[in-house]
Amino acid sequence: GAVVSQHPSRVICKSGTSVKIECRSLDFQATTMFWYRQFPKKSLMLMATSNEGSKATYEQGVEKDKFLINHASLTLSTLTVTSAHPEDSSFYICSASPFGGLSNQPQHFGDGTRLSIL
Amino acid sequence: EDKVVQSPLSLVVHEGDTVTLNCSYEVTNFRSLLWYKQEKKAPTFLFMLTSSGIEKKSGRLSSILDKKELFSILNITATQTGDSAVYLCVLRGQGGSEKLVFGKGTKLTVNP
Repeated sequence: GAVVSQHPSRVICKSGTSVKIECRSLDFQATTMFWYRQFPKKSLMLMATSNEGSKATYEQGVEKDKFLINHASLTLSTLTVTSAHPEDSSFYICSASPFGGLSNQPQHFGDGTRLSIL
Repeated sequence: EDKVVQSPLSLVVHEGDTVTLNCSYEVTNFRSLLWYKQEKKAPTFLFMLTSSGIEKKSGRLSSILDKKELFSILNITATQTGDSAVYLCVLRGQGGSEKLVFGKGTKLTVNP
């Protein structure tokens, strides 16, 4: 079945550091991937839609200069949290589905990245 | 505004019990309804429902969609402690949109 791999699974770093999170579709191509953020005991909140070969689409209230998204190939999207601060600490999850928006395949999620900024 | 409401928000049962998780929605023109299970990591896919009245089954879990009543249920029979998780009901948009609308989830705790 479709597998989405996310790396790293856990990051602990100092305030001011930039952190890059990778999301890969392992056995399918994904023209679109999604990045979510999840706060404790809350549901997933869509941050942005990552589009291969073009600019990402950000949800209202999400700073695009803070959360840089690059989708350079059909199997890889990256989210970079720039100059991270403690309030950026959260669980970040990506998702993708085979064949993108025209498919009837479910979205599959990566295992998530727990980011802790000290 | 599109909305997905899950109930109950929290449920505690004993091993062997049968549970029914509810999902009602107010979403215009959705393509499919999905159920996911989330433990400590990211959600794992359980079912995708597109047609009304057709039950999907996987082991002790089953789910069905009623498009007339705008409702779906997820049943788990003979629950086990490993079923403890948050169960998410999610709707996916029509056409080329992949945007998902999430319910808040039902937290199921199965005690031995």
